[in-house]
Amino acid sequence: TQLLEQSPQFLSIQEGENLTVYCNSSSVFSSLQWYRQEPGEGPVLLVTVVTGGEVKKLKRLTFQFGDARKDSSLHITAAQPGDTGLYLCAGPPSGTYKYIFGTGTRLKVLA
Amino acid sequence: KAGVTQTPRYLIKTRGQQVTLSCSPISGHRSVSWYQQTPGQGLQFLFEYFSETQRNKGNFPGRFSGRQFSNSRSEMNVSTLELGDSALYLCASSPSLGARETQYFGPGTRLLVL
Repeated sequence: TQLLEQSPQFLSIQEGENLTVYCNSSSVFSSLQWYRQEPGEGPVLLVTVVTGGEVKKLKRLTFQFGDARKDSSLHITAAQPGDTGLYLCAGPPSGTYKYIFGTGTRLKVLA
Repeated sequence: KAGVTQTPRYLIKTRGQQVTLSCSPISGHRSVSWYQQTPGQGLQFLFEYFSETQRNKGNFPGRFSGRQFSNSRSEMNVSTLELGDSALYLCASSPSLGARETQYFGPGTRLLVL
């Protein structure tokens, strides 16, 4: 079974703190996407990483794809209340037509 | 450009009934995928439609079905509803078949089965 495990499952931090969310698998992925989902809405795509070792920055968010393309991380610098939401990694395992979502990390940033 | 729209946004049904959900993709997008999201199982892929044909299917029973029309709009049907079908049903559109890395999600239809 191809799974994407995210950690931590829940995270509650104060505004201004830094945090890292991890997305791990035993399978190789062709690419990985990160989404943020707010209550009552669908997930919104934040970034796609494709190449092993790739690092992408989106303002205060830094995304990294592992060298072996089996894991990824999302680092948020100086978190703000607007960052609150459910963060999901997802992607297609290499050589398959599937698309798998991670277990999710629910982040709450307190003002 | 308008985003993905789903109707209705909320729905309450009773066990044994059937339900039809609708999804209008972004203009020009030809692929529509459906997902079920529950607190226990997370986001799970139901099926993908492209050019009016189901191209991929997840591990859901035959009670879950769908179709796509020539204008790329899609409907999803669940027959003989069970309590466990209560979930947020999400539709996502992408420009082409299998291009899940560029898919855009609608707001979802929240279904409650009593």
